[in-house]
Amino acid sequence: EAEVAQSPRYKITEKSQAVAFWCDPISGHATLYWYRQILGQGPELLVQFQDESVVDDSQLPKDRFSAERLKGVDSTLKIQPAELGDSAMYLCASSFDSSSYNEQFFGPGTRLTVL
Amino acid sequence: GDSVTQMEGPVTLSEEAFLTINCTYTATGYPSLFWYVQYPGEGLQLLLKATKADDKGSNKGFEATYRKETTSFHLEKGSVQVSDSAVYFCALSDQRGYNKLIFGAGTRLAVHP
Repeated sequence: EAEVAQSPRYKITEKSQAVAFWCDPISGHATLYWYRQILGQGPELLVQFQDESVVDDSQLPKDRFSAERLKGVDSTLKIQPAELGDSAMYLCASSFDSSSYNEQFFGPGTRLTVL
Repeated sequence: GDSVTQMEGPVTLSEEAFLTINCTYTATGYPSLFWYVQYPGEGLQLLLKATKADDKGSNKGFEATYRKETTSFHLEKGSVQVSDSAVYFCALSDQRGYNKLIFGAGTRLAVHP
C-alpha cells in the first residue's frame, strides 16, 4: 500500500541551528501539505502545494521557515534559525488534488526537539 | 474564522463500553467533516468522513452524523476495544481556499480490559 514517507523521524537540534525535513508523497498526488502539531494540540497547516506551486502559506513564519517542491514531487521544509518554540511534530500529507472529497494521507511525522 | 471544538480528554472506558466524543464546528459555507485517529507512534489516519448535511460516515464500528442544525459531528462506537486506544481528531475542510483541514485539539481515549 502506498504511503507518505518522511525523514528523519526524530531530530534534536540546538536553537539557532538550521534543520530540514523531507517528504515524499504518494505517487500521483498533486497536493502536498505540511502541518505542525504542537504537543496536546491538533495539527495546523503551515504550507500547501499544488504541484510545484505554493497555494497557501498564510501560517508559515516566513522569516525563518521555507518550503519547496521543485519538481512537484517530493518536498523539503527548512527552519533557520530554529527556536525553542519550534519543538513540535511536523506532519506531511498528500492528496490526489485539493478537492475536499479527496482524503489527505499523512506520513509518520518528524518530531523536532529544539534545546 | 472556521474552527473545531472537541470534548477534552482523556476519556477512560472499560472494554465493551459505549463511546461518544463530542465535536462541534464553526464554518462559513458547507464544509466536509472528518474524524482522524492517531495511534501511538504513528501518523494520522482517516477514520470516517461526511461531505453534506445528514450524511453518516462509518468505519470499523465507529459512526458520526453531519448535523447542520446543531453544527455537530459527534463520534460514537457501541462497544470499544483496547485496540481503539488512540487520539481522535475532528476536522473540517476549509472551502474558502484550497480545502486545508482545520483540526480540533484531539481527544485521547484509553480503553482498559
